[in-house]
This record gives sequence, structure tokens and C-alpha cells, in this order.
Amino acid sequence: KNQVEQSPQSLIILEGKNCTLQCNYTVSPFSNLRWYKQDTGRGPVSLTIMTFSENTKSNGRYTATLDADTKQSSLHITASQLSDSASYICVVSASSGTYKYIFGTGTRLKVLA
Amino acid sequence: DAGVIQSPRHEVTEMGQEVTLRCKPISGHNSLFWYRQTMMRGLELLIYFNNNVPIDDSGMPEDRFSAKMPNASFSTLKIQPSEPRDSAVYFCASSLGSLSEQFFGPGTRLTVL
Repeated sequence: KNQVEQSPQSLIILEGKNCTLQCNYTVSPFSNLRWYKQDTGRGPVSLTIMTFSENTKSNGRYTATLDADTKQSSLHITASQLSDSASYICVVSASSGTYKYIFGTGTRLKVLA
Repeated sequence: DAGVIQSPRHEVTEMGQEVTLRCKPISGHNSLFWYRQTMMRGLELLIYFNNNVPIDDSGMPEDRFSAKMPNASFSTLKIQPSEPRDSAVYFCASSLGSLSEQFFGPGTRLTVL
């Protein structure tokens, strides 16, 4: 069964600290993995998209890694800011004829001053 | 570019009424996605179109839901009859190709009483 699990469910950190969010998946056949940031009351915004051959991709202070062998991805946030407070959603695409999109339930991050 | 435009932003209706949500994708994008988001179930893909053609509607919950894309610049998601459990935020997103970065609209918050 195609599944995406994210951990932790929620996280509180102090401004300036680093943090890492996890995404484990059992999706086959794998096509790509995306991380989204969703601010409260707004639509998700894409942070990174990674295909099978990519094992790291950065977008400013956000760095995503992908281990296709262990089917794990992480999103590392460096020097967190108050504006990083949001939900982070991992989405894995499977390709078998048509594309399927399997969503994680997200990690809710709160950055405190 | 104005981004993805959705209307209405908020909709309150009574059970049994017909609800129509509207979406205008980003000009030039050829893939359009309809999502539903609730606290309990997170973000769910309902249906997506490529070049105005529905590709995967396996996420549409039941026959009460229908979606159309009569042209490249407009899509509708209709619920008839609506039920309280349909209350959610409905997002539309568009992309240049189904595997490319998706740009989300602001969402329509639907409340069915």
C-alpha cells in the first residue's frame, strides 16, 4: 500500500536553531518527492522537488535530502526564523500509467522568539 | 501574473444545496489539480486534468462530486447535493506538466450547515 509518513507531528524550536523533519514512504514505482510549506490559512508553496537520481536539493535555508534505497527524505531548516512557522508536507508521486500523489499528514513547526 | 485564482473564497451553504467552486489556472499551465484539506484527513487530491482532460479522478469521494475543465483557463468543482462532511478548504493548483512545481490558489473555505 502506498503510504507517506512524516515525523514528528509537531515541533517547537527557538528562533535561530536548526531542525530536521522526516518523511518515510512506501510508494512504488517512485517518480518524485516534494516538500511543501503551508502557512496557516494559505495554500501550500513548493520548496523542493527531487527525482530518483537526486539526493539533495537546497532552497535558501531549506535543504532536502532523499535516500531512495531506504525510502527516506528529510527537510533541514537552518537558522530558523519566526516566518518558518508553518506546516511542512511531504508528497510522493508514483507513476504507473497515470501519476498518483500520496500525501503525508504534515509536520507542524512553531518557531519561538 | 496573478497566480491561481479561486472563487469564492468563502462559501456557507445548507445541506442539500448545490455548490460550485471555480478556478482560473496560471496562464500557460496545462495541468490543473483540485484538492481538499481537512484537519482530520490532511490534503487530498480529488482530480487532476492535463490539457483539459481528466486524467485521474480516483480521489473524488463519490458521485456527488464532479469537475469540469471546459477550456485551458477555467475549471469548476461541483458538489450536488452538499453534506456537512463536505466542509473543508478546497484548493486548486496548476503546473506546467503534471510532474512540475504546482502553484496553489488561496483556497475556498466551504462550510455546509
